[in-house]
Amino acid sequence: QSVLTQPPSVSGAPGQRVTISCTGSSSNIGAGYDVHWYQQLPGKAPKLLIYGKNNRPSGVPDRFSGSKSGTSASLAITGLQAEDEADYYCQSYDRSLRSSGVFGGGTKLTVL
Amino acid sequence: EVQLVQSGAEVKKPGESLKISCKGSGYTFTSYWIGWVRQKPGKGLEWMGAIYPVDSDITYSPSFQGQVTISADTSTSTSNLQWSSLKASDTAIYYCARLSYVDSSGHLDFWGQGTLLTVSS
Repeated sequence: QSVLTQPPSVSGAPGQRVTISCTGSSSNIGAGYDVHWYQQLPGKAPKLLIYGKNNRPSGVPDRFSGSKSGTSASLAITGLQAEDEADYYCQSYDRSLRSSGVFGGGTKLTVL
Repeated sequence: EVQLVQSGAEVKKPGESLKISCKGSGYTFTSYWIGWVRQKPGKGLEWMGAIYPVDSDITYSPSFQGQVTISADTSTSTSNLQWSSLKASDTAIYYCARLSYVDSSGHLDFWGQGTLLTVSS
């Protein structure tokens, strides 16, 4: 049972917009900790996608964006492409776990 | 170019000990925390802990406290993850990653390629 809750799967057709939610609590996202997002392609190491208040590392297209409100956060992907098919994870910190990092359970994105 | 290069795959028996490594290059190793992440077969990412190499300040996730030991050697820009007595349930891919702080919580901006550990009798 992950501290941060994500839907197990989402899907969308090429060109569409999809969102992936990440729900936490008052001890993590609601405590003001930022939420970061990672993309993991099959058989590869995770890659940082979004960090802090909607920042993208160099090379990440602006089709990817992040937002946060209250105890939840969301990753939005617009103009869906076949190569976006991957697992996506949110990450934050939790003060009830001695301020350790925590991940969501992950969401499998299928491009139809 | 920032790189984290991890040691190779391991096959061990239950009860054996092991140390795996993660060597950083292309940045000032002592200026960043290094985090360790576990991924069991077909499962999600789990935060294990992190170390600040310059003073070996370490934070462990409660689930991993006492189960593993994280260390660092600044002379070789290497962080290590070790077990004293492996269990079959330790079978997983272990990733190291550089931890950067911009806002209120750190993010893992560069990742190693992962070390596959198989523990089986």
